[in-house]
Amino acid sequence: QQQVKQSPQSLIVQKGGISIINCAYENTAFDYFPWYQQFPGKGPALLIAIRPDVSEKKEGRFTISFNKSAKQFSLHIMDSQPGDSATYFCAASLYGGYQKVTFGIGTKLQVIP
Amino acid sequence: EAGVTQFPSHSVIEKGQTVTLRCDPISGHDNLYWYRRVMGKEIKFLLHFVKESKQDESGMPNNRFLAERTGGTYSTLKVQPAELEDSGVYFCASSPKQGLNTEAFFGQGTRLTVV
Repeated sequence: QQQVKQSPQSLIVQKGGISIINCAYENTAFDYFPWYQQFPGKGPALLIAIRPDVSEKKEGRFTISFNKSAKQFSLHIMDSQPGDSATYFCAASLYGGYQKVTFGIGTKLQVIP
Repeated sequence: EAGVTQFPSHSVIEKGQTVTLRCDPISGHDNLYWYRRVMGKEIKFLLHFVKESKQDESGMPNNRFLAERTGGTYSTLKVQPAELEDSGVYFCASSPKQGLNTEAFFGQGTRLTVV
């Protein structure tokens, strides 16, 4: 049973465009929703995270939108750059991330010049 | 400061053999986690150590997997005997003591191939 569903699994965006990755979760007890960025040969690295008491969080070109009633959240990458090409994982956790993280399947993003 | 380090980076073993993966967490991090990503699937939780104690091992696939964390420092994950379905990338992560916004830092992973 996949508790965090992520789409699309692959995404090609032109440089300067907006990349959008969507996720949905089932467990309403989740209280921490991080996004991880992974480059080839590296481990996932925390990119940005949100808690369910806010509807949006922005850090630079990266924005998380969160819809608690729909149990959905999404990552928007504005002005996408070739250096953003990586695999992105949405995730969810309990107790502020202290406990195990449940990951989505991942989205391989390619930003073409 | 050194990050989370995993050894080896790659391992190719035959079915039935034993393999031991090692993880060195960030110094001072009480929490250590093991995850695994099978090709084409999501990253899945295996277990969580708090210091030397197993806090949660609900994700361990079966008794062929044994994880230890001696003295609350480095951790090993042994697979014995390895099966074809054990192939995947094994990630280790560590984080400080419990608290809000406790980011977990991941190692680069060990790619295990069982042939």
